[in-house]
Amino acid sequence: RKEVEQDPGPFNVPEGATVAFNCTYSNSASQSFFWYRQDCRKEPKLLMSVYSSGNEDGRFTAQLNRASQYISLLIRDSKLSDSATYLCVGRGFGNEKLTFGTGTRLTIIP
Amino acid sequence: DAGVIQSPRHEVTEMGQEVTLRCKPISGHNSLFWYRQTMMRGLELLIYFNNNVPIDDSGMPEDRFSAKMPNASFSTLKIQPSEPRDSAVYFCASRGGFSGNTIYFGEGSWLTVV
Repeated sequence: RKEVEQDPGPFNVPEGATVAFNCTYSNSASQSFFWYRQDCRKEPKLLMSVYSSGNEDGRFTAQLNRASQYISLLIRDSKLSDSATYLCVGRGFGNEKLTFGTGTRLTIIP
Repeated sequence: DAGVIQSPRHEVTEMGQEVTLRCKPISGHNSLFWYRQTMMRGLELLIYFNNNVPIDDSGMPEDRFSAKMPNASFSTLKIQPSEPRDSAVYFCASRGGFSGNTIYFGEGSWLTVV
């Protein structure tokens, strides 16, 4: 079983809609979580960190549920520019290693 | 600001040839990572360095792969001999200084072994 698992999609969503992704992790020792965004043929870039209390950055909301070992990302009022692959990432305590999920591909349709 | 710089951006080589990928991390960053990305397996960590010292190379697929970091501003990933299954995008990333937990990726080296 992969340490970090995501639904690969694709998610095809009309512009303006709300879309949510989930990601599950198997290593209960994982301490920090992140969402990265990767555009086609580009490098991954940090979208946002995920805090235990949940956090919001504009149209993006990230949540962590340690009991069920999943992380979620909610995108409200989706824009065409949100089309990308979203990578769920976990990191162990005191550990430099980031473990990436295989990504969820999102396409926003005009 | 200069980000992580990788070279070559694209390489096509014949099976059996040696491939050397190069990386210059962001100045001031003390951690460097080499990742490989394929459609089937996603992003996989190959090896990472802290202060130029290899810390974890458990992701290196086999002896054909080797990585070095002779100084804080340069690292290489070498594949010898290369095989078609090594075809992938190889990303270098760095972290440290004021970047906190964020790691920054280079644009990747797109390797095709034929």
